Amino acid sequence: NAGVTQTPKFRVLKTGQSMTLLCAQDMNHEYMYWYRQDPGMGLRLIHYSVGEGTTAKGEVPDGYNVSRLKKQNFLLGLESAAPSQTSVYFCASSTGVFEKLFFGSGTQLSVL
Amino acid sequence: DQQVKQNSPSLSVQEGRISILNCDYTNSMFDYFLWYKKYPAEGPTFLISISSIKDKNEDGRFTVFLNKSAKHLSLHIVPSQPGDSAVYFCAASSTNTGNQFYFGTGTSLTVIP
Repeated sequence: NAGVTQTPKFRVLKTGQSMTLLCAQDMNHEYMYWYRQDPGMGLRLIHYSVGEGTTAKGEVPDGYNVSRLKKQNFLLGLESAAPSQTSVYFCASSTGVFEKLFFGSGTQLSVL
Repeated sequence: DQQVKQNSPSLSVQEGRISILNCDYTNSMFDYFLWYKKYPAEGPTFLISISSIKDKNEDGRFTVFLNKSAKHLSLHIVPSQPGDSAVYFCAASSTNTGNQFYFGTGTSLTVIP
């Protein structure tokens, strides 16, 4: 059972480039989340989805867009990458609100 | 503004002894708390949770204590084992914050054999 899978694991971008991070879960979870982890900041919620076709903003949504076209997939897009978006990105899923999160292994993104 | 704080970035403990990891929060509306454990190059994994109707929850070697008046929770690991060496995050949520968990900055635990 794969759980939550994130691709790619590493990526280097130049300022202004765009990219999409893919998250896939095989647990039939309704809720999916994108977090970023920065030194000294903990994990901060970027966007989340409570079901297929829905998305909502989290704590730090600026500069990111998301889509949940299929229940098992949650995409995070950066339209014009900035050095401030250098971070480790984690996708997570859960069965519902207040339920424990299942995390992917993360994507290390560097924006030069 | 960090609503959940872990003021000790690191902690070292001898194998077999007790590890105590602390977490403080500022939002009195938080009513559900979780601890996650993270190994390098892996995502966080759920460890234990507690709701505000309780002040203690146990799961094997792991116990979480909640002091609502002090806005403080702690994770006790007894006995500590080398495999417990990891970064531990506490997280908090409430009906007001809805789907958002607020995470602390983490404490890196090293258990010395």
